[in-house]
Amino acid sequence: GAVVSQHPSRVICKSGTSVKIECRSLDFQATTMFWYRQFPKQSLMLMATSNEGSKATYEQGVEKDKFLINHASLTLSTLTVTSAHPEDSSFYICSARAIPRLEDDEKLFFGSGTQLSVL
Amino acid sequence: LAKTTQPISMDSYEGQEVNITCSHNNIATNDYITWYQQFPSQGPRFIIQGYKTKVTNEVASLFIPADRKSSTLSLPRVSLSDTAVYYCLVGSDSNYQLIWGAGTKLIIKP
Repeated sequence: GAVVSQHPSRVICKSGTSVKIECRSLDFQATTMFWYRQFPKQSLMLMATSNEGSKATYEQGVEKDKFLINHASLTLSTLTVTSAHPEDSSFYICSARAIPRLEDDEKLFFGSGTQLSVL
Repeated sequence: LAKTTQPISMDSYEGQEVNITCSHNNIATNDYITWYQQFPSQGPRFIIQGYKTKVTNEVASLFIPADRKSSTLSLPRVSLSDTAVYYCLVGSDSNYQLIWGAGTKLIIKP
C-alpha cells in the first residue's frame, strides 16, 4: 500500500511552546488529509479535515487557533499545536486519501502517529 | 452516520480462528465496511473492506449478511502478533473517516 510518513514520532516539550507535526504522502498525491487525536485506551477522534490549498475544516469542539493546520502541497500537511499545555498531551495521527484512488478498497492511508508529551 | 458496536475485548489462543462481529444497524445504502488493526503507539493499518457478501484477502475474511446490519471479521490461525485493537468502520466516500468506534482489543495467548 501507499506510504504516509509522519514526523516526529515522539516529542516532549515544555508547556507554552508550539509543536509542529508533519504528514507526508510519499508516493501518491493526497488532496485530502485528516488529523486525529487518540487518548490512551480510547478510539481515534477526528480533529480536522485538511484540503490542499484551502482552509481546514475542524470538528466541533476543536479549537482552530490552537491546532493550526496547513496543507500547502499535495503531499504535505502540517499540524501545529500552539502554546501546548499538559492537557494537549496525546497521540496524534494523520491519514491521507489517495487521488486518484490507488486501489479499489483501501481508501485511507495512515501515518505512524506522533506521541506528544507536554510537561 | 452509521455507528458501530463491537465487543470491548476478546481472548483467543495461537492457531485458532478468531471472529469479531460488528453491529451497524443504521448502515446506509452507500456505506461500505472497513476493518483496521492498530498496535500500541502506531497508526491504524488497513485489513479488509467489503460492501456485501464475503470478501477474502491474504490476511482475513469479511462476512456481511444480506441485511448488512452486521459484519464479521475472521482471522484464520492467529498468532501472538495479532494481539491488537481492531476497529470496524462504516461510511461512504463522503463520511468514511468521521466516526471511529471503541474497537475490540484482541489478546492472543500462547
